[in-house]
Amino acid sequence: NAGVTQTPKFQVLKTGQSMTLQCAQDMNHEYMSWYRQDPGMGLRLIHYSVGAGITDQGEVPNGYNVSRSTTEDFPLRLLSAAPSQTSVYFCASLGRKNTEAFFGQGTRLTVV
Amino acid sequence: GQQVMQIPQYQHVQEGEDFTTYCNSSTTLSNIQWYKQRPGGHPVFLIQLVKSGEVKKQKRLTFQFGEAKKNSSLHITATQTTDVGTYFCAGRKGGSEKLVFGKGTKLTVNP
Repeated sequence: NAGVTQTPKFQVLKTGQSMTLQCAQDMNHEYMSWYRQDPGMGLRLIHYSVGAGITDQGEVPNGYNVSRSTTEDFPLRLLSAAPSQTSVYFCASLGRKNTEAFFGQGTRLTVV
Repeated sequence: GQQVMQIPQYQHVQEGEDFTTYCNSSTTLSNIQWYKQRPGGHPVFLIQLVKSGEVKKQKRLTFQFGEAKKNSSLHITATQTTDVGTYFCAGRKGGSEKLVFGKGTKLTVNP
């Protein structure tokens, strides 16, 4: 039981490049989400999904796309990276109501 | 939209002093959760409060949920260097799966 697995742990991108941050969970959780963490800003919700085939925008969705083709996977895509997207990204999953969120180890992304 | 405000943003204490962080929501919450993030780590679940006026304790940590289910607090008695980290509250609104986090309180402890 690995919990929530995020890859990669570190990434450096050039402005304009695209990439996908991977997130997988093996707990059969329906709810998955992506957060970005910046100094002094806490955890801000980017996108979330309440189940396979269903996604919705969070607080800061611009510049990011997501899809949820399976219960296990919830990738986050940066279509054209910008320096403002330099941040630490966390994927989290949780079960039905009143359960805790499990976080991945995080991806530290730098856009130059 | 739903907002969760958390104060203070930073708190520096001497080892042995107490520490409290406060969380306030603009709307009534169905439950509130608390997480701890060690430096360089990821948030880890501490506890969940569900009932109005609920108080829970974990050793030196005391968690409270307000009567109106709009505010919560985390109190640490006699801090230790192992308490260092950022503490987040996270609230859920009734009927929603979305978990909204406060900005966190970063605690540093001077030995």
